[in-house]
Amino acid sequence: EAAVTQSPRNKVTVTGGNVTLSCRQTNSHNYMYWYRQDTGHGLRLIHYSYGAGNLQIGDVPDGYKATRTTQEDFFLLLELASPSQTSLYFCASSDVRLGNAEQFFGPGTRLTVL
Amino acid sequence: QQKVQQSPESLTVSEGAMASLNCTFSDGTSNNFRWYRQHSAKGLEVLVSIFSDGEKEEGRFTAHLNRANLHVSLHIREPQPSDSAVYLCAVRSNYQLIWGSGTKLIIKP
Repeated sequence: EAAVTQSPRNKVTVTGGNVTLSCRQTNSHNYMYWYRQDTGHGLRLIHYSYGAGNLQIGDVPDGYKATRTTQEDFFLLLELASPSQTSLYFCASSDVRLGNAEQFFGPGTRLTVL
Repeated sequence: QQKVQQSPESLTVSEGAMASLNCTFSDGTSNNFRWYRQHSAKGLEVLVSIFSDGEKEEGRFTAHLNRANLHVSLHIREPQPSDSAVYLCAVRSNYQLIWGSGTKLIIKP
């Protein structure tokens, strides 16, 4: 079964702070995704990637950068964190393109920006 | 753009009684619908994927799709307290998954 891990699981920072969320998948999947989940909005796609060095913009990219350093590792960067970025962040991976195959999700990172 | 809505927001069902969750969408041309479950402090797990009108069963979970009515439902047979979780509907649209905001299901012993 697909294994996607995220770290940290919980993070508290202050407004203007610098935060990096990490995701690793060990299933040789090409596609990786970052979502945020907020009450009343479901999951919203921030960025995704189809391989090392590749980055695609999702639906809510403002305020976020991402980097895919290897096939396994995908990072989400908040360089000037704001309270509006307080959310639950999920990483996911899949073998083929968005929507065409099952996505396997990590356990989530809860971020609080004070 | 595809819009996905789920109802009810919260549902309490007694153990052993059927639990039924609803999902409506705005664009009936999609052919890829999924139900996920989210336990607190855990990731999402896919329960059922359905790609054509009709019924799809996976164990105790059954999805019913009616694209003409813009509706997909999930029925949980003989639910147990361990099925208490948030249930999310996702609809494929233009190579993306569009998500509902979830139904919180509580199963009472």
